[in-house]
Amino acid sequence: QLQLQESGPGLVKPSETLSLICTVSGGSISYSGYYWGWIRQPPGKGLEWIGTVRYSGSTYYNPSLKSRLTMSVDTSKNQFSLRLSSVTAADTAVYYCALDSSSWSHFDYWGQGTLVTVSS
Amino acid sequence: QSALTQPPSASGSPGQSVTISCTGTSSDIGNCNYVSWYQQHPGKAPKLMIYEVFKRPSGVPDRFSGSKSGNTASLTVSGLQAEDEADYYCSSCAGTNNVLFGGGTKLTVL
Repeated sequence: QLQLQESGPGLVKPSETLSLICTVSGGSISYSGYYWGWIRQPPGKGLEWIGTVRYSGSTYYNPSLKSRLTMSVDTSKNQFSLRLSSVTAADTAVYYCALDSSSWSHFDYWGQGTLVTVSS
Repeated sequence: QSALTQPPSASGSPGQSVTISCTGTSSDIGNCNYVSWYQQHPGKAPKLMIYEVFKRPSGVPDRFSGSKSGNTASLTVSGLQAEDEADYYCSSCAGTNNVLFGGGTKLTVL
């Protein structure tokens, strides 16, 4: 059974960079048919797609976040990561990593989510 | 990019049916068969309930069904049960390599 687990600091200061890692277990991050995504949810609000990365390193970003966003894959560790720069309070959210096994169709498996608060 | 439009709330009594709508545009739902629905209980991660408009993942009860007409997708929950009370989110591809979510609908079982 494939599992995903987010990790990273729970508190980030304004203007700094938010960095999260998603560790995949029970499956290979290198499988060509898999697309690895990040989704966030501000407290009490809806879901927002952040971006998707493939094992090859190809990335696809939400246009509204693109200028601040970097995603990458580390196949040796079976992990993928998210870096969001110049954060503000508006970036406070629960961040989820997820697997899309069908090429932009849907997210089958989700991590439990991690709350990141932006505050000084 | 704008989120897909969902009603903020919906409700029904046990055993009844309820339908939740998700309205987009010709650039997303209207031009995409990759519409999915997620169920989210408080404090939990979203769970996939419907994908590719009407398909159900293994383990999802057949009380959940999906459809699409034009720029609007719908999720119907038949035979409502107490455990169906949750937030529901729609999602759609939007152009090339882009994903939109709806604002979410809180389903209350009366």
